[in-house]
Amino acid sequence: EAGVAQSPRYKIIEKRQSVAFWCNPISGHATLYWYQQILGQGPKLLIQFQNNGVVDDSQLPKDRFSAERLKGVDSTLKIQPAKLEDSAVYLCASSLVSGAYEQYFGPGTRLTVT
Amino acid sequence: AQRVTQPEKLLSVFKGAPVELKCNYSYSGSPELFWYVQYSRQRLQLLLRHISRESIKGFTADLNKGETSFHLKKPFAQEEDSAMYYCALNTNAGKSTFGDGTTLTVKP
Repeated sequence: EAGVAQSPRYKIIEKRQSVAFWCNPISGHATLYWYQQILGQGPKLLIQFQNNGVVDDSQLPKDRFSAERLKGVDSTLKIQPAKLEDSAVYLCASSLVSGAYEQYFGPGTRLTVT
Repeated sequence: AQRVTQPEKLLSVFKGAPVELKCNYSYSGSPELFWYVQYSRQRLQLLLRHISRESIKGFTADLNKGETSFHLKKPFAQEEDSAMYYCALNTNAGKSTFGDGTTLTVKP
């Protein structure tokens, strides 16, 4: 089966600019996750979708971050405006459903904010 | 709120030696626990999950609810085991929390 796809792989922007990341999960996976991974830390959950509904977004900085999952399939994560501290790898993952099912990760997007 | 702690950032062992990567968690409910691994230049991928009670690549992990731990063990480390290892917890509601990872280096 095809894996989780993410684009772009790398992005460099200046602070206060906006950026968007795209994720295409594994076909048939109901649950989609966006994580932020800062260098030296583990992945931090930003938002979790079940189909096209939000299950958890408690750690999403909603003043600058937004995410949507179109028709319960693809998802986009946007940052506007970006800050220096947003420099990180943004990981997308999907699973059949949440709970005891494993998550399949994409390659990530490395964002550098200058 | 749930929390996952991996006390060792770095762990170095010689080939053939036993290895144990520690994971402690805090969660009031019944957790689902996982170990994920990231080899150099590869994606994060599942190594094993406690519900399966399986051994993958010689690794095992036992959930100890009394000590709230889920340590990863392998009796004889191999060089190809060198990687970054993350312990993760899913709550009853399916929310995921990852530890900060342990970098394992297996020396020849």
